[in-house]
Amino acid sequence: DMKVTQMPRYLIKRMGENVLLECGQDMSHETMYWYRQDPGLGLQLIYISYDVDSNSEGDIPKGYRVSRKKREHFSLILDSAKTNQTSVYFCASSSRGRAETLYFGSGTRLTVL
Amino acid sequence: KTQVEQSPQSLVVRQGENCVLQCNYSVTPDNHLRWFKQDTGKGLVSLTVLVHENDKTSNGRYSATLDKDAKHSTLHITATLLDDTATYICVVGDRGSALGRLHFGAGTQLIVIP
Repeated sequence: DMKVTQMPRYLIKRMGENVLLECGQDMSHETMYWYRQDPGLGLQLIYISYDVDSNSEGDIPKGYRVSRKKREHFSLILDSAKTNQTSVYFCASSSRGRAETLYFGSGTRLTVL
Repeated sequence: KTQVEQSPQSLVVRQGENCVLQCNYSVTPDNHLRWFKQDTGKGLVSLTVLVHENDKTSNGRYSATLDKDAKHSTLHITATLLDDTATYICVVGDRGSALGRLHFGAGTQLIVIP
């Protein structure tokens, strides 16, 4: 079953706390992405990973870092979360040679108080 | 500057009616274009992908067209159902590989009423 799984679905944190968002996929896709979605805006790319330990900044990487130690897992870390990082975060994966194959997770709704 | 513009921003139709959603873009090069459906509080689900110059696709009640010369795509939904209530997002990819970038529209919010 082709699936991208995100955990947790909902998360509430206080400003200054660390946040870990997890993403897994079962399709052996090389490429994985982290996006955030805010009302009235298109999805914005935070980081892209081309494979294990091969990560690149997206359009809005400030305040975030990522980790990819296994092909099937991609983590997004917020060190010392800020209130403006309240958003819905989506993970996605695709096959390297076929960007039109793109699967999204169900999202994590993060609230930073 | 937004490179993918969707219209209308929101749309209300009665169940059973047809509707058309528009996507205009300025992304260059434009390798492929995809339409996604996003239910409230859920992830994006792919409806169709268009790749070629004057591509047309059909997926049940959803059909889409792409005009690369005009940099324009339309998504037609026939005989709408209440479950079609969602946000529809147009995404343009500038390459066929993962080295390319995906450019997202802000979406059209469709509401289907009884």
